[in-house]
Amino acid sequence: SQKIEQNSEALNIQEGKTATLTCNYTNYSPAYLQWYRQDPGRGPVFLLLIRENEKEKRKERLKVTFDTTLKQSLFHITASQPADSATYLCALPLSGAGSYQLTFGKGTKLSVIP
Amino acid sequence: EADIYQTPRYLVIGTGKKITLECSQTMGHDKMYWYQQDPGMELHLIHYSYGVNSTEKGDLSSESTVSRIRTEHFPLTLESARPSHTSQYLCASSEGARNIQYFGAGTRLSVL
Repeated sequence: SQKIEQNSEALNIQEGKTATLTCNYTNYSPAYLQWYRQDPGRGPVFLLLIRENEKEKRKERLKVTFDTTLKQSLFHITASQPADSATYLCALPLSGAGSYQLTFGKGTKLSVIP
Repeated sequence: EADIYQTPRYLVIGTGKKITLECSQTMGHDKMYWYQQDPGMELHLIHYSYGVNSTEKGDLSSESTVSRIRTEHFPLTLESARPSHTSQYLCASSEGARNIQYFGAGTRLSVL
């Protein structure tokens, strides 16, 4: 089964800097990869999806890259703000293309310090 | 804000009680999911449904059961709660090939 590793459990960053979070996976290459944001005591909220044939995806201050050779996705938040403080999860289809089940990483807790 | 609702938000209950966690969505999604999440840990899929009268167990073994009699409703039942069931339970729904999942706010269950 797929295993996901997110680079660190916690990341502290100064306001205005770029935060970079890493998601590594093992085994098969997924058809797509998703990133979610989770605030304490709440359910995750979808942010971005990137497909296996896409190198990069952007949405406002967010950017996601996908390197199927390295089996890695990077998630960037530029000009970070204290409101960006949350836990960020990456998620992959549970077993190959076409699966509607997702497996989630443990997440990286981002703290943006004013 | 996603149109998926979970009740109750918090539940403290004694061992041996039967409980049902409610989940409803108004988006007409065919696919619905239940996850269990402990603090600081990843979400684990415990049940899913691809439509009415379809239910399957997820990758994490669970003593709970689910039903899907209506598209919008996907309740989870524990026949006899135990302290090991203490956790946060998250319900989600999705539609389409991109499988973007929309989550409820969760139910935090404590079994004493």
